[in-house]
Amino acid sequence: AQKVTQAQTEISVVEKEDVTLDCVYETRDTTYYLFWYKQPPSGELVFLIRRNSFDEQNEISGRYSWNFQKSTSSFNFTITASQVVDSAVYFCALSEAPDAGGTSYGKLTFGQGTILTVHP
Amino acid sequence: GAGVSQSPRYKVAKRGQDVALRCDPISGHVSLFWYQQALGQGPEFLTYFQNEAQLDKSGLPSDRFFAERPEGSVSTLKIQRTQQEDSAVYLCASSFQGRHSPLHFGNGTRLTVT
Repeated sequence: AQKVTQAQTEISVVEKEDVTLDCVYETRDTTYYLFWYKQPPSGELVFLIRRNSFDEQNEISGRYSWNFQKSTSSFNFTITASQVVDSAVYFCALSEAPDAGGTSYGKLTFGQGTILTVHP
Repeated sequence: GAGVSQSPRYKVAKRGQDVALRCDPISGHVSLFWYQQALGQGPEFLTYFQNEAQLDKSGLPSDRFFAERPEGSVSTLKIQRTQQEDSAVYLCASSFQGRHSPLHFGNGTRLTVT
């Protein structure tokens, strides 16, 4: 069975600090996808990034960066120079590979989330 | 609208009542998902539709939960004889059919059973 663990329940930082959110996953699939979503107080989950299991290149998007290490089954998320607007709950998630027909994947397995609070 | 729309935003039900939660996905999105998010937890999968076909309902917690999408667009999640443990936020998400489509989530319906 798939499992996602976000060991940090809550993180509190001061604006402009860097912060890393940890994510460790378990799966028996050789092909899988990893995601990060942000959930602000309004409630909707906002997609941040998707990586497949064959692409271990780290990715940077503005102040956000992701470190995927298959050897340790980790997919960590770093926010550089954090801002108050980054305050939210962040979820790491894992999905099964698409079926042979190439239909879109779903059935995400989420971690329990990390509450990030950035203080001014 | 531009995003996934869910209604009502909040619902309070007395134990034993039936409730119906509505989801309007993004126009043209083939795939539709329902997730349940308990307080302080991550969302958990309930069911999946591809157009009007319910292809996976393995996450529905009991036979009191029923979902439909009769015309392949709007979906309704119905909970019969609600129990207190049904209190949660119910999230709907949609996506294009295809290998590279992320899920687009609605704001959810917060159900409180008293």
